[in-house]
Amino acid sequence: DTAVSQTPKYLVTQMGNDKSIKCEQNLGHDTMYWYKQDSKKFLKIMFSYNNKELIINETVPNRFSPKSPDKAHLNLHINSLELGDSAVYFCASSPFSGAGGTGELFFGEGSRLTVL
Amino acid sequence: KQEVTQIPAALSVPEGENLVLNCSFTDSAIYNLQWFRQDPGKGLTSLLLIQSSQREQTSGRLNASLDKSSGRSTLYIAASQPGDSATYLCAVGSRLTFGEGTQLTVNP
Repeated sequence: DTAVSQTPKYLVTQMGNDKSIKCEQNLGHDTMYWYKQDSKKFLKIMFSYNNKELIINETVPNRFSPKSPDKAHLNLHINSLELGDSAVYFCASSPFSGAGGTGELFFGEGSRLTVL
Repeated sequence: KQEVTQIPAALSVPEGENLVLNCSFTDSAIYNLQWFRQDPGKGLTSLLLIQSSQREQTSGRLNASLDKSSGRSTLYIAASQPGDSATYLCAVGSRLTFGEGTQLTVNP
């Protein structure tokens, strides 16, 4: 069983469209994350949820909206897609979070978004 | 704001060589530091997690050290193998700031 699974793995869409990426973890972790890896391979945190509550919200356009229906799922919805949104988006989970830091992170395989 | 730097950006070594990858960070008030590897087209795999109270962690041929006061960590890989070829990343802090990674190639 895959620990952290993301769907879809590849997504090609037109500018202006709205799309979602889903993430599920079966590790029983409390905390989930979304990261963006740009064309230069630089990884940057976007959001973090702990037990369905938003705890980290980096400077991300409000076209990006995470949703956590339960602590095993964290979905990412993107409105009005732009060319610059093209990247690989990684979901991750860890055992605990908060001001004290994180436990070991487990990453999904990534979702490659291409905006044309 | 935490900044993480990894040196070198790329490294190519012959099989069997021991090597050291470096990670430095600007804010030493960290809870822990993690080392990951990323294979092309794949997600990240956690290699070692060092708590701020620890000086080093070992897993097989990998040894990671942490010097919080100087803002440095090293990942030592012993007897490198072609299968070790990947990008190695370190991440620090509660907001998990990543370095840009070191791309390692181990030549047979």
